[in-house]
Amino acid sequence: DGGITQSPKYLFRKEGQNVTLSCEQNLNHDAMYWYRQDPGQGLRLIYYSQIVNDFQKGDIAEGYSVSREKKESFPLTVTSAQKNPTAFYLCASSRGTRTYGYTFGSGTRLTVV
Amino acid sequence: AQRVTQPEKLLSVFKGAPVELKCNYSYSGSPELFWYVQYSRQRLQLLLRHISRESIKGFTADLNKGETSFHLKKPFAQEEDSAMYYCALISYDKVIFGPGTSLSVIP
Repeated sequence: DGGITQSPKYLFRKEGQNVTLSCEQNLNHDAMYWYRQDPGQGLRLIYYSQIVNDFQKGDIAEGYSVSREKKESFPLTVTSAQKNPTAFYLCASSRGTRTYGYTFGSGTRLTVV
Repeated sequence: AQRVTQPEKLLSVFKGAPVELKCNYSYSGSPELFWYVQYSRQRLQLLLRHISRESIKGFTADLNKGETSFHLKKPFAQEEDSAMYYCALISYDKVIFGPGTSLSVIP
């Protein structure tokens, strides 16, 4: 059963701690993306990766970091430098030819207290 | 700058009434546009692509380059159409999403 899996679904962290969100896909997609979804602001791109061992900053990369050591995995670390980390985070993948559209994960809701 | 705007945050229509969700874009090249939908407690999913010229779940969207619009339309709204709708534009190697419109269909 192919798809894209994000874990955990809910995550709570204390302010000042780094936290890593997992995103795994078995669709053999080349490209993977991280978005942040906030009410009234739509989806904002954090980081994306077109191929293994390469990634680019999106529109709101400050305070975040990623790695792409394997094609299937694209974890996102929310660092203590991110000023407003409480949000809903969405991971997506695509074949690489963008016209096919994205497949999205179910998201991780991060709450920093 | 590439941008997608959806002027309505919320849209309420009665069941059976026509519905139109507006989307405007700014893009210097030849645009590729999509509509994504997120139903309650479900993941965001692709609804339709302008290059396919398809009709999905009764929805259609026509690209109007003169007006730089890609409005989503359905002649008769159903209760199950209630969801969050995002218009999206391909910009080079990434996709830019609009802020979204929450559609509520009143029974």
